Amino acid sequence: NAGVTQTPKFRVLKTGQSMTLLCAQDMNHEYMYWYRQDPGMGLRLIHYSVGEGTTAKGEVPDGYNVSRLKKQNFLLGLESAAPSQTSVYFCASRPPTGNEQYFGPGTRLTVT
Amino acid sequence: GENVEQHPSTLSVQEGDSAVIKCTYSDSASNYFPWYKQELGKGPQLIIDIRSNVGEKKDQRIAVTLNKTAKHFSLHITETQPEDSAVYFCAATPKAAGNKLTFGGGTRVLVKP
Repeated sequence: NAGVTQTPKFRVLKTGQSMTLLCAQDMNHEYMYWYRQDPGMGLRLIHYSVGEGTTAKGEVPDGYNVSRLKKQNFLLGLESAAPSQTSVYFCASRPPTGNEQYFGPGTRLTVT
Repeated sequence: GENVEQHPSTLSVQEGDSAVIKCTYSDSASNYFPWYKQELGKGPQLIIDIRSNVGEKKDQRIAVTLNKTAKHFSLHITETQPEDSAVYFCAATPKAAGNKLTFGGGTRVLVKP
């Protein structure tokens, strides 16, 4: 099993550009999450999904959209990137039973 | 909502010594408290967790203690080794929030040989 994978690993965007981050998991997990990690602030939840076709807002959803069209994929979109969205983004998944979240390796995004 | 504070932000210890990281939480309804370890360039990985009906849990050199009355929990690493060098995050989950985790700000641990 590859576990949780994220694409791309690195990206540099100009202000106003758009992009989509892809998260894929091969563990048949129901729950998936998108976090951003900023120095000294831990991980903050952006959006999450409790199953295929469902999404919900987390702690810091503004400026982001998500979609969960397939159970194994969770996409995070930035429609108009801003420098404040410079961060490391982590995706995680979790089975319906149990509490452990399995994290991907992260995507480092810089918005100039 | 839940708020989790973590201290210290950085911790330097000699190899073989113990390391202690402390977290406080604000929501008395929180009932699940995991600790994650993040090595450089990788995603966080669960190392130990504790539920609110337990006061202490141990796994080899790692232990977690929970004080529900004071709303704080701690991670204890004994006999530290260089491979323990990493960033550690505590988290809490209020029961009403399902399994959405609120993370502390992280502690960078450096074990000096």
